[in-house]
Amino acid sequence: EVQLMESGGGLVQPGGSLRLSCIVSEFPFRSYWMSWVRQAPGKGLEWVANIKEDGSEKYYVDSVKGRFTISRDNAKNSLYLQMNSLRAEDTAVYYCARVSGLGAGGQFDYWGQGTLVTVPS
Amino acid sequence: SYVVTQPPSVSVAPGKTARITCGGNNIGSKSVHWYQQKPGQAPFLVIYYDSGRPSGTPERFSGSNSGNTATLTISRVEAGDEADYYCHVWDSSSDHVVFGGGTKLTVL
Repeated sequence: EVQLMESGGGLVQPGGSLRLSCIVSEFPFRSYWMSWVRQAPGKGLEWVANIKEDGSEKYYVDSVKGRFTISRDNAKNSLYLQMNSLRAEDTAVYYCARVSGLGAGGQFDYWGQGTLVTVPS
Repeated sequence: SYVVTQPPSVSVAPGKTARITCGGNNIGSKSVHWYQQKPGQAPFLVIYYDSGRPSGTPERFSGSNSGNTATLTISRVEAGDEADYYCHVWDSSSDHVVFGGGTKLTVL
């Protein structure tokens, strides 16, 4: 059974940093684009970043560009999101998701259960 | 950047048909995916590439996409279909994923 499990969330002060991890199992991680998606409390889904199978292409939503970095370690079946200069508006549940189909435009067919990041205002 | 618009809410009686729209400029030229999210749960893919249905999605769920509107149709609606539904588009001009704002489906 395909599994994705996020970790690393928590309470961090404005301006602080946090590194999220997502470890996956039961599928060839190195063969898939991966993504981070977040959801602020009571709000809708917001895409954060995508990364290509080999890490050679990365895309970010404008609001996190320059502050967040998506990366992966295919040997460890792990996806990461380094978050710096955190703001109150970054407070959300962060999901990692597998991207299937054609490249970066494919569907998110498997999701983790999410990890909560809280940045007080 | 590309924008997609969903109605905030749709209500339907059990056994009837619910239609949830996702509007965007010439969205028919893009591929649209749909997710269901129940309270406290992660999103779940219900339709991919406009009308594809994953193995875990009931046949009552279908999708279409043409012109400026993509539509998720749920036939013979059941109480268990009550959830938030999101459309997802890849905007190749900006290399961005775009989600609709979500539609809350209420089963009366």
